[in-house]
Amino acid sequence: NAGVTQTPKFRILKIGQSMTLQCAQDMNHNYMYWYRQDPGMGLKLIYYSVGAGITDKGEVPNGYNVSRSTTEDFPLRLELAAPSQTSVYFCASGGNYGYTFGSGTRLTVV
Amino acid sequence: AQRVTQPEKLLSVFKGAPVELKCNYSYSGSPELFWYVQYSRQRLQLLLRHISRESIKGFTADLNKGETSFHLKKPFAQEEDSAMYYCALSAGNNRKLIWGLGTSLAVNP
Repeated sequence: NAGVTQTPKFRILKIGQSMTLQCAQDMNHNYMYWYRQDPGMGLKLIYYSVGAGITDKGEVPNGYNVSRSTTEDFPLRLELAAPSQTSVYFCASGGNYGYTFGSGTRLTVV
Repeated sequence: AQRVTQPEKLLSVFKGAPVELKCNYSYSGSPELFWYVQYSRQRLQLLLRHISRESIKGFTADLNKGETSFHLKKPFAQEEDSAMYYCALSAGNNRKLIWGLGTSLAVNP
């Protein structure tokens, strides 16, 4: 029972590069979320999805994009990486009993 | 406005002492409240939901609608309880959670 799987666990990007953070869940949850976590700032919602084909912006969407072509997958795309995007990224899926989180991606932009 | 407030950034207690992590919320409807825990460099894990009224790892939390609070309590803290604790409020049909900024609990030997 994998739950929510995120890849990669760590990544270093140069300014201006792009990358996709992968997130997959096997719990058949409709609701999925991307957060970033910065020290002392708690969790900030980047994007979320209420089902396949439906996505919406959260609090801090600038510089990111998402897609939700299947129930299982919810990738987060960073275009033109900037130092301000250095953070830990968590994907989560939501059921009736709360969220299940992935193990996170630690991203550094240099 | 919908808001979750955790007034303490850091709480330090000795092993065996009681611990209470405070959470206050602002929400006009019927709230659904959660506590999540994050051990060092690990993923967030659901600790408690107010609806289930259960005790997990010795922790309990009671929803007090009059005081709009959902404080997390444990009578005897253990060193392995050291972690970051987040209170969250579910509001709306899209199941988005509104998060507090978290309280870092340090249990000293």
